Amino acid sequence: NAGVTQTPKFRVLKTGQSMTLLCAQDMNHEYMYWYRQDPGMGLRLIHYSVGEGTTAKGEVPDGYNVSRLKKQNFLLGLESAAPSQTSVYFCASSLWSGEQYFGPGTRLTVT
Amino acid sequence: GENVEQHPSTLSVQEGDSAVIKCTYSDSASNYFPWYKQELGKRPQLIIDIRSNVGEKKDQRIAVTLNKTAKHFSLHITETQPEDSAVYFCAASLNDYKLSFGAGTTVTVRA
Repeated sequence: NAGVTQTPKFRVLKTGQSMTLLCAQDMNHEYMYWYRQDPGMGLRLIHYSVGEGTTAKGEVPDGYNVSRLKKQNFLLGLESAAPSQTSVYFCASSLWSGEQYFGPGTRLTVT
Repeated sequence: GENVEQHPSTLSVQEGDSAVIKCTYSDSASNYFPWYKQELGKRPQLIIDIRSNVGEKKDQRIAVTLNKTAKHFSLHITETQPEDSAVYFCAASLNDYKLSFGAGTTVTVRA
């Protein structure tokens, strides 16, 4: 099993551009999450999903949108990127509660 | 929402000594407290977790203690080894899946 994978691994955007980050898991997990990691701030939850077709806001949802059309995929969209969105983005999944399995991360730079 | 504070932000220990990281949380209803370890350039991975109906849990050289009255929990690593060098994150949750993370502790084990 590949576990949790993320695409792309690195990306550089100009301010105002849009992009979509793809997260895929092959563990048949119900719950999926998107976090951002910034120095000195730990991991902050952006959006999460408790099942196919559901999404909910986390701690820092502004400027991001998500979709979970298929159980195994969770997409994170930036409609108009800003320098403040420069960060490392991690996707994670869990069966229901308990241990979250993280992807390898996407390093995004917005200039 | 839940607020988790983590101390210290950096910790340097001699190989073989013990390391202790402390976290406090704000919401007395939180009932799930995991600890994640993130090695340099890698994804976070769960190392141990505890639920509010348990005061202490051990797994080989790692232990976690929980004081619900004081709303704090701690990670204890005994007989530290070079491979224990990493960033450690505590987290708290009201519902087992929506995690609020601390800012992280960078642990360096000196040979």
